[in-house]
Amino acid sequence: GAVVSQHPSRVICKSGTSVKIECRSLDFQATTMFWYRQFPKQSLMLMATSNEGSKATYEQGVEKDKFLINHASLTLSTLTVTSAHPEDSSFYICSASFSEGETQYFGPGTRLLVL
Amino acid sequence: RKEVEQDPGPFNVPEGATVAFNCTYSNSASQSFFWYRQDCRKEPKLLMSVYSSGNEDGRFTAQLNRASQYISLLIRDSKLSDSATYLCVVTSYNNNDMRFGAGTRLTVKP
Repeated sequence: GAVVSQHPSRVICKSGTSVKIECRSLDFQATTMFWYRQFPKQSLMLMATSNEGSKATYEQGVEKDKFLINHASLTLSTLTVTSAHPEDSSFYICSASFSEGETQYFGPGTRLLVL
Repeated sequence: RKEVEQDPGPFNVPEGATVAFNCTYSNSASQSFFWYRQDCRKEPKLLMSVYSSGNEDGRFTAQLNRASQYISLLIRDSKLSDSATYLCVVTSYNNNDMRFGAGTRLTVKP
């Protein structure tokens, strides 16, 4: 149980385009979902926390207008990287938990490469 | 100073060796501690939680020293399949606030 999927697993796009990444909890309802970013040889950095039906809470230094997060249902959250640039190339990982403060279950990640 | 610090390694050890990793954290109010394993280009997976009394799971032993603010992971009888990056994770309040170390890379060689 507690499986989280992400789609796509890998995406290559041109600079200036927008990319949407989906995170789904497959066998449970996730009240809270998280989005992380991991650059090579660096730690996972929390970008934002979202609760179903509410606006996401962004970490300091993360532009909310650039990284749009929607958590419209208990099984789906989306992260849209708007006007992507090469410096946005990274490994984006989502996680989901049954409720706030509970164990996080990680998705397999999405590797984004912006040319 | 980073919230969670680890020696990045790499640690290159032969099969059967014992290897230990340390991790230090800066927030003395931290509540929960974990070791995660991350394979190349994959998501992190929970290896074990770390308790004040120390805990063991097969070949893996984790310990916590609150006074010195560090946690450790000991792997005995290393296997080739143990090759991965080991992430130290600390939470300050609940599982909403997980802070990851950059990881320690382990390579076990035949």
